[in-house]
Amino acid sequence: AQTVTQSQPEMSVQEAETVTLSCTYDTSESDYYLFWYKQPPSRQMILVIRQEAYKQQNATENRFSVNFQKAAKSFSLKISDSQLGDAAMYFCARGVPSGNTPLVFGKGTRLSVIA
Amino acid sequence: SAVISQKPSRDICQRGTSLTIQCQVDSQVTMMFWYRQQPGQSLTLIATANQGSEATYESGFVIDKFPISRPNLTFSTLTVSNMSPEDSSIYLCSGSGYTEAFFGQGTRLTVV
Repeated sequence: AQTVTQSQPEMSVQEAETVTLSCTYDTSESDYYLFWYKQPPSRQMILVIRQEAYKQQNATENRFSVNFQKAAKSFSLKISDSQLGDAAMYFCARGVPSGNTPLVFGKGTRLSVIA
Repeated sequence: SAVISQKPSRDICQRGTSLTIQCQVDSQVTMMFWYRQQPGQSLTLIATANQGSEATYESGFVIDKFPISRPNLTFSTLTVSNMSPEDSSIYLCSGSGYTEAFFGQGTRLTVV
């Protein structure tokens, strides 16, 4: 089965500190995308960051960056300078180009930010 | 990325009744996906909706219980039929572009 695994059901971080959320995946596709989505209590799924598998350079979006290890099928998310607004469920997901198939999601990691 | 407007945002329904959830996309998308999400859990795919053909349902979900319409490339509905308390959940619609998926705001359904 082509799965996405998030081994940390819950994480917490002090405000202004750095936290890393883990994700591993399995796929037989040669061309795919990896995503981190954030879901706050409002329920809206918000794209945090995207990584194209063919790119070796790790994606970065402001305070958010990934460590993409293709051979190890690992895709972790690092949040720097954590803010109270970062508290949410975070889902790792895998997809393929074209948009004709649904994303495969991990079970999620609930992040708490401590003031 | 596209924007999906999903309605209603929440509803409380009597058992045995039906609720139709609507999703309107501000651009054309080939496929739309419907998910169910229990509080604190991940997303479970209900079905994939393509315009002009019957939706494809995942194991454990059937058309009689969750009929889906996809009349054009910007709109889709999901009906939750003959509801029971076990149907209480969050329902999300999603469309996929070439490089990302985008989501409606979700519908929180409570069946009493």
